[in-house]
Amino acid sequence: SAVISQKPSRDICQRGTSLTIQCQVDSQVTMMFWYRQQPGQSLTLIATANQGSEATYESGFVIDKFPISRPNLTFSTLTVSNMSPEDSSIYLCSVEMGQNSYEQYFGPGTRLTVT
Amino acid sequence: TQLLEQSPQFLSIQEGENLTVYCNSSSVFSSLQWYRQEPGEGPVLLVTVVTGGEVKKLKRLTFQFGDARKDSSLHITAAQTGDTGLYLCAGFSDSWGKFQFGAGTQVVVTP
Repeated sequence: SAVISQKPSRDICQRGTSLTIQCQVDSQVTMMFWYRQQPGQSLTLIATANQGSEATYESGFVIDKFPISRPNLTFSTLTVSNMSPEDSSIYLCSVEMGQNSYEQYFGPGTRLTVT
Repeated sequence: TQLLEQSPQFLSIQEGENLTVYCNSSSVFSSLQWYRQEPGEGPVLLVTVVTGGEVKKLKRLTFQFGDARKDSSLHITAAQTGDTGLYLCAGFSDSWGKFQFGAGTQVVVTP
C-alpha cells in the first residue's frame, strides 16, 4: 500500500480564481490519477498524471481548465482554473499499485467550495 | 449507461442485521475491487478479486466473484454502526480498456 497526503484538505474560493491541489506519496509510483466526486456519489476520473509527459485527460476534461503537473514519481498537482460554483466538489488523487490488479490507494481528498 | 452496475443505491439497516451489495457488468473483469469510503476521507481498498468463483473473507465481510467474472457481491454479517459508509465496486475490463467505478451503495447502520 501507500500513504498519500493532499493539501489543502478544504478551501473556499471565489469564482474566477484558481486553486492548486498537491498530492504527495510516500513511495515512488508510476500511475497517479485525479478524480472528482460529489458527496455521496461515485468517482469521476479527470486525468492520469504521467511523469515526464503531459497528462492524459478523460472526455469532458481539458488541460486549460485542469492543468496537471507530475515533476517526479512521488508528487503531482492539479489546478482548478477560472473556477465557477459548478467546480465545487471533492478532488481526490490516487495511485495504482499491485502488478496486474489495478488496485488504487487514495488520498483523503480536497473539499472545494466555490462561491 | 453505466459500464458497471451497482445495487442497491441506498441501504438502511439496524445493527445486527445482514446486508448484501451487488456489482455486475456485461463485460468480463480482469480484476475487481471493493472500496469503502467514510465522510471526509478517500476510498479505502477492502479487497481485490481476480479468479472466477473466488470467495474472500475479511472479518464479517464476505466477497464473492462470479464464475464468469462479470459480477460480484459484498455480504456483511451482523452489521455494526462502524460499517456505515459508501461502498464502491471498481474494476478493469479489456472491453473498456480502462478502470471504472460503480455508482456506489450508501449503507447506513443504525443502533
